[in-house]
Amino acid sequence: AQSVTQPDIHITVSEGASLELRCNYSYGATPYLFWYVQSPGQGLQLLLKYFSGDTLVQGIKGFEAEFKRSQSSFNLRKPSVHWSDAAEYFCAVGAGQGSGGYNKLIFGAGTRLAVHP
Amino acid sequence: NAGVTQTPKFQVLKTGQSMTLQCAQDMNHEYMSWYRQDPGMGLRLIHYSVGAGITDQGEVPNGYNVSRSTTEDFPLRLLSAAPSQTSVYFCASKPGTGGGYTFGSGTRLTVV
Repeated sequence: AQSVTQPDIHITVSEGASLELRCNYSYGATPYLFWYVQSPGQGLQLLLKYFSGDTLVQGIKGFEAEFKRSQSSFNLRKPSVHWSDAAEYFCAVGAGQGSGGYNKLIFGAGTRLAVHP
Repeated sequence: NAGVTQTPKFQVLKTGQSMTLQCAQDMNHEYMSWYRQDPGMGLRLIHYSVGAGITDQGEVPNGYNVSRSTTEDFPLRLLSAAPSQTSVYFCASKPGTGGGYTFGSGTRLTVV
């Protein structure tokens, strides 16, 4: 069965420090992979996506993620965290058949990021 | 361009009541989905649609109905609300060819 695991429920970093959020997926075919961010009381915003090609993907707000097929991972990174990055982060895999490659998302449980000044 | 619009933003229901959560998108997206978000569980798919007139069940469909009569609208109906349906509901849409899902701002539903 398809699934997404985010091993870290909470992470706290100091402002200016580097960040890596972990994501592991289970999916039989070539995965479509996503990272979303959710600020308190808000909807989800797409940070970046991987469909194919270069395994290092650049996103918005200075985030990047690297697809590693051998490790079934899609970890999110940022070299220097800002206080405004405090939010909840969700990794997701696109599943099902569709003309666009997938038709639904399977989400991990999320990682809540706190940033200390 | 409003994106994905959900109404209402907040709702309190009594057990057994019915209601419809509205979702509309103005991006001519073929695919639309409904998710519920509960603490520690991420987002779970309720129902989805790959085009007008076509719907399918997701991971947690029980207690919910959907229909898709137009490309723009994808309402979610709770037939007889239960406390277990207390959650935050998100609607999302994406184009039929590639791209990621765009999410609405959510409806916070409390069933007492």
